[in-house]
Amino acid sequence: DIQMTQSPSSLSASVGDRVTITCRASQSISSYLNWYQQKPGKAPKLLIYAASSLQSGVPSRFSGSGSGTDFTLTISSLQPEDFATYYCQQSYSTLDTFGQGTKLEIK
Amino acid sequence: QVQLQESGPGLVKPSQTLSLTCTVSGGSISSGSYYWSWIRQPAGKGLEWIGRIYTSGSTNYNPSLKSRVTISVDTSKNQFSLKLSSVTAADTAVYYCARVVVVPAAMSWFDPWGQGTLVTVSS
Repeated sequence: DIQMTQSPSSLSASVGDRVTITCRASQSISSYLNWYQQKPGKAPKLLIYAASSLQSGVPSRFSGSGSGTDFTLTISSLQPEDFATYYCQQSYSTLDTFGQGTKLEIK
Repeated sequence: QVQLQESGPGLVKPSQTLSLTCTVSGGSISSGSYYWSWIRQPAGKGLEWIGRIYTSGSTNYNPSLKSRVTISVDTSKNQFSLKLSSVTAADTAVYYCARVVVVPAAMSWFDPWGQGTLVTVSS
C-alpha cells in the first residue's frame, strides 16, 4: 500500500493568514494526488485534482503543488469558511489511500 | 448536475451483512468515463476507501476488506450497491458513495460525494 502522511495533524491560524499543509507519499506517485476539504457532519469536497488543478467553483486562494512524493496545499488568505479538515488522497495505485487529515482551527 | 444519495439500514447486528445503495440522479450512471466508489469514515477518524465498480461490472476492492465486500451496479435503476458481510463493531462508520472521475493516464478523483449515511453495528 502507498502510505500518505500529512503534516501537521492540526493547525491553528487566523483569518487572513497564509497556510500550507504538506502531504508525503511513501513512494513516488507522480501527480496522482488530490485534496479534499471536509466540514463537520458533511461529506468531503474536492478542492484540487492532479496535484495542482483547481476544481471548478473552488476559490482561487486554494492552490496545490508538488510531484513525486512531496505535495503541498496552500491557502493564500484564510477565510472564516476555510476552517475545516483537509485530506490528501493518492490515485496512483489501484488501492486509493488518504492521508490522516489536517484539522485547521481558528486561533 | 450529478447528485448521489446513500440509503439503507442505520443499524446492523454483529455477524450480519451491511447493505447500502447509492442512487445517482442528474445523469446516467452509464455515461462517461466514471467509476463508482464506496468510502467510509469511523467517527472522529480518517477516510478509508472500500472499493469501486465500473458499469461493465469490473471491480477493485481494498485488500483489507476484499474477503467481505461486494459492490454491484444496476444500470436500469441508476444505482450501485455495497454489501459487507460478517460485520463487527469496527465496521461502524459513516459510509459515503462517490463518483470517480477518470482521465487519460488513469488519473482519478472522487467528485461528487453523497451526503453519507451512518451505519452502526450493534446488537
